[in-house]
Amino acid sequence: GENVEQHPSTLSVQEGDSAVIKCTYSDSASNYFPWYKQELGKRPQLIIDIRSNVGEKKDQRIAVTLNKTAKHFSLHITETQPEDSAVYFCAASSGGNSWGKLQFGAGTQVVVTP
Amino acid sequence: SAVISQKPSRDICQRGTSLTIQCQVDSQVTMMFWYRQQPGQSLTLIATANQGSEATYESGFVIDKFPISRPNLTFSTLTVSNMSPEDSSIYLCSVEDAPDTQYFGPGTRLTVL
Repeated sequence: GENVEQHPSTLSVQEGDSAVIKCTYSDSASNYFPWYKQELGKRPQLIIDIRSNVGEKKDQRIAVTLNKTAKHFSLHITETQPEDSAVYFCAASSGGNSWGKLQFGAGTQVVVTP
Repeated sequence: SAVISQKPSRDICQRGTSLTIQCQVDSQVTMMFWYRQQPGQSLTLIATANQGSEATYESGFVIDKFPISRPNLTFSTLTVSNMSPEDSSIYLCSVEDAPDTQYFGPGTRLTVL
């Protein structure tokens, strides 16, 4: 089955700096890669996703890149703000016969200090 | 995206008892899922709730421990049976609102004493 590894487990950044979180996956059939943000005591919130036919996707201060050959994808947050502090989870899905099942990474605790 | 609600939001239960968690969506969805999130951990898929047929369980999860119902396209329940302290977790339902795109309910925080 799919295995998703996520690094780093914790990330401290100064406000205004950039943050990068990296994930690798094992199943070459995976074709959908979402990122979720989970604030303390809240539900995971989908913030951006990318499909295997796209190499990069941006939405304001966040972007995701995908390298299918190397089987890794990354989340980039620019101009970080204190409200970006949260746990971020990457996930991978092969859709189709997997019925949309998501395999999640272990999560990255991001702390943005003013 | 679909609006998802869960009941109860939290509960404290005694070991050996069972708790049924409800998940309600404001629109019809084909796919509904149940996840467990243990304290400080990631999300683990328990099962896919299939409408009109038995749920599909992931490795390590069995129907006797986590029976699931899916009577229609907007509602599902997850029961945590014969609970032990190890079942203390957050249980979340999710729905697939668009191909592959999942949104989560607010979760049910369960503490077993």
